[in-house]
Amino acid sequence: DVKVTQSSRYLVKRTGEKVFLECVQDMDHENMFWYRQDPGLGLRLIYFSYDVKMKEKGDIPEGYSVSREKKERFSLILESASTNQTSMYLCASASPGQGNYGYTFGSGTRLTVV
Amino acid sequence: DQQVKQNSPSLSVQEGRISILNCDYTNSMFDYFLWYKKYPAEGPTFLISISSIKDKNEDGRFTVFLNKSAKHLSLHIVPSQPGDSAVYFCAANPRPYTNAGKSTFGDGTTLTVKP
Repeated sequence: DVKVTQSSRYLVKRTGEKVFLECVQDMDHENMFWYRQDPGLGLRLIYFSYDVKMKEKGDIPEGYSVSREKKERFSLILESASTNQTSMYLCASASPGQGNYGYTFGSGTRLTVV
Repeated sequence: DQQVKQNSPSLSVQEGRISILNCDYTNSMFDYFLWYKKYPAEGPTFLISISSIKDKNEDGRFTVFLNKSAKHLSLHIVPSQPGDSAVYFCAANPRPYTNAGKSTFGDGTTLTVKP
């Protein structure tokens, strides 16, 4: 069964900490994405990557950075965690070869910054 | 400017009845439209899609209708079951190899199916 695996389901971090969220996919997908989901705000794109070492900012990149050193792995980094970054973080991957491509999402990481 | 809109944040229906979730879009260059379903504490899962050259696609209890002239699509669930209670996201895809294959999502509609 194809998978997108996020390293942690729940995380609690302190304000100011550097936080790493890891995502691995086993489908050889070119594209990978990081979203955050907050009540009433839907899915907001933070960063995405369409190739190794390539990245593009999404709608809300401030306070975040990403790393994609290998095709299967896409990491989200919170440089200095703040309470307003408490959220559900979702990683996804896709292969845009055909127009009806759907994203495969991970199970999410619920991050709480205290 | 939000290109994909789900104007109803929530919908409540009785078990066995029809659920209709709506989605509007503004960009006529979208090539495919998709629906995802999300349970709490889980990631969204792909449900059904429709090509911009079709007006209907059916998969079991789920049917998606596309009205290109109105830039409107809807997801029908018949009959609705309590297990269908979830957040439903509408999404639109550009033509392949444009915009690095990035989907545009609506804000979601929370469906509650009451027993």
